[in-house]
Amino acid sequence: LAKTTQPISMDSYEGQEVNITCSHNNIATNDYITWYQQFPSQGPRFIIQGYKTKVTNEVASLFIPADRKSSTLSLPRVSLSDTAVYYCLVAMFSGGYNKLIFGAGTRLAVHP
Amino acid sequence: ETGVTQTPRHLVMGMTNKKSLKCEQHLGHNAMYWYKQSAKKPLELMFVYNFKEQTENNSVPSRFSPECPNSSHLFLHLHTLQPEDSALYLCASSQDGGSSYEQYFGPGTRLTVT
Repeated sequence: LAKTTQPISMDSYEGQEVNITCSHNNIATNDYITWYQQFPSQGPRFIIQGYKTKVTNEVASLFIPADRKSSTLSLPRVSLSDTAVYYCLVAMFSGGYNKLIFGAGTRLAVHP
Repeated sequence: ETGVTQTPRHLVMGMTNKKSLKCEQHLGHNAMYWYKQSAKKPLELMFVYNFKEQTENNSVPSRFSPECPNSSHLFLHLHTLQPEDSALYLCASSQDGGSSYEQYFGPGTRLTVT
């Protein structure tokens, strides 16, 4: 059964770096890994996407090892407004074709 | 404002009712998606349409019937739902189908089945 695995929750303090890892053993060969952020009563919002190695944008970095069976979202110097649920999204080969599968989400709480 | 709108935002319906959820995207995208998000499960992809053609149906019960009349509009027709169908239904769109394209999500419709 194709699935992704993320920690259910994490706690951090303002100014710290937060790393959230998603495991995706059956990731499809040619597909990307994407991370989304979701606040209460809103739809998920795109954060970052990558295929391999490291990707960085203005809000986060994404680390992907060579085997691509996991990925780590890194949020530098978090603030209270980063309190949200973070999801990884990958395409995984299941039942004869590639399926888009969201992780269960990691609930990040940032404390003062 | 993501460019994806959903109506209604909240819906309460009985198990014998028929209702429809509407999604509209103003981004010129070619792919549209329906997701179900319930309290105790991760986001579940229900349907994918690419260039108005359904490309994915993840074993969704027939009481959910999608319709995509054009690339900008997506409907989810509901009939004889069960209480366990109560959830947040999210619509999304992307430039094209597949994991390499960023999805833009609407705010969702909070559905309660009584």
